[in-house]
Amino acid sequence: SQQGEEDPQALSIQEGENATMNCSYKTSINNLQWYRQNSGRGLVHLILIRSNEREKHSGRLRVTLDTSKKSSSLLITASRAADTASYFCATDPSGYSTLTFGKGTMLLVSP
Amino acid sequence: DAGVIQSPRHEVTEMGQEVTLRCKPISGHDYLFWYRQTMMRGLELLIYFNNNVPIDDSGMPEDRFSAKMPNASFSTLKIQPSEPRDSAVYFCASSLYPTGELFFGEGSRLTVL
Repeated sequence: SQQGEEDPQALSIQEGENATMNCSYKTSINNLQWYRQNSGRGLVHLILIRSNEREKHSGRLRVTLDTSKKSSSLLITASRAADTASYFCATDPSGYSTLTFGKGTMLLVSP
Repeated sequence: DAGVIQSPRHEVTEMGQEVTLRCKPISGHDYLFWYRQTMMRGLELLIYFNNNVPIDDSGMPEDRFSAKMPNASFSTLKIQPSEPRDSAVYFCASSLYPTGELFFGEGSRLTVL
């Protein structure tokens, strides 16, 4: 079964606006990762946050993790048309040896 | 390093034909993964290798699917015989750790008519 579930499934915003995507999961984890996939391309790793971390930044990306709520959020600030892509969260549930991916959020940033 | 390299990028074949997808992982990565992506099911792990040894193939849908990793720099995913429901994008990924950062190839888009 799907461990991570992204919300919303699709998001449409204007350039310059912020985009927030959420990921909820079911069991305890060691880390949570976010990936981006441009249309027709492979997934690209964005950021990894460990279970003992609450917030992490990378450029215009900010990721938060709330283990008590079993949820994470990815914030993209000052979005650009080039941010148009699908975004996936991936978790490594405790007791599992591989990552489990959600179905992703499709983000459309219009100029 | 050039990253994970997959071939072919696109494959169109007829039902019943054998399909072989190829992957060259990043040098030094001990783990190699094969994923399948469809709109309905999302990204599914089919099989993964550690140091060329298959560790978990529980995601392989049927006996028609097989994967090999004869050496550290090459892996294949074979479907024989292929069926229309196998149509999907197949990704290969490699990593230093099984739950660490994954490096994906560009994928092989398979269409079975």
